[in-house]
Amino acid sequence: GAVVSQHPSWVICKSGTSVKIECRSLDFQATTMFWYRQFPKQSLMLMATSNEGSKATYEQGVEKDKFLINHASLTLSTLTVTSAHPEDSSFYICSAPEQGAAKNIQYFGAGTRLSVL
Amino acid sequence: AQSVSQHNHHVILSEAASLELGCNYSYGGTVNLFWYVQYPGQHLQLLLKYFSGDPLVKGIKGFEAEFIKSKFSFNLRKPSVQWSDTAEYFCAVTQRGGNNRLAFGKGNQVVVIP
Repeated sequence: GAVVSQHPSWVICKSGTSVKIECRSLDFQATTMFWYRQFPKQSLMLMATSNEGSKATYEQGVEKDKFLINHASLTLSTLTVTSAHPEDSSFYICSAPEQGAAKNIQYFGAGTRLSVL
Repeated sequence: AQSVSQHNHHVILSEAASLELGCNYSYGGTVNLFWYVQYPGQHLQLLLKYFSGDPLVKGIKGFEAEFIKSKFSFNLRKPSVQWSDTAEYFCAVTQRGGNNRLAFGKGNQVVVIP
């Protein structure tokens, strides 16, 4: 199946710094990618839809200026957590739907664990 | 908005026991339904899916799920579990013809005791 690569897998940063997380579709193109946040023992919460060549679509309650999304190419979307604070510590996961007949199937990255000190 | 309910977050059972995980969704339109599995330390993987046709779908590793439209349910089953089935299982729904936005349930943490 299709592969989505997410980097880094784990990052620790100081409060007030910014962290960039990359999501790449390795063997297919993705005009759309999705970013989720997962709290311990809870479900994946969709944060935003990343659209290649245009602005991301954010879910209600997600701060656009806090979580910057850039989808500069058909294989790469980035999520930047700006001025991170301890409450931003979480597990961030991206996904991408494969184009064509299988476009309803999403493939997930391995996730990035962010710890803000 | 769509919502997905999964009950009994923690399930502990012995090898060879049967497993059934419930999934109910609330959405009035036509949906695509999925079960994803997340093994310890690994990423989410598709277990099975339902788009249309036979409401009983078979997935990988002996899992199956049945779509019952009247009950808005898509329950996952496996007749005989193995230790390697220890994982977290997520039910997810997306609106057919929409933009592929997935709504997830809270997940079931399944532990199989050898």
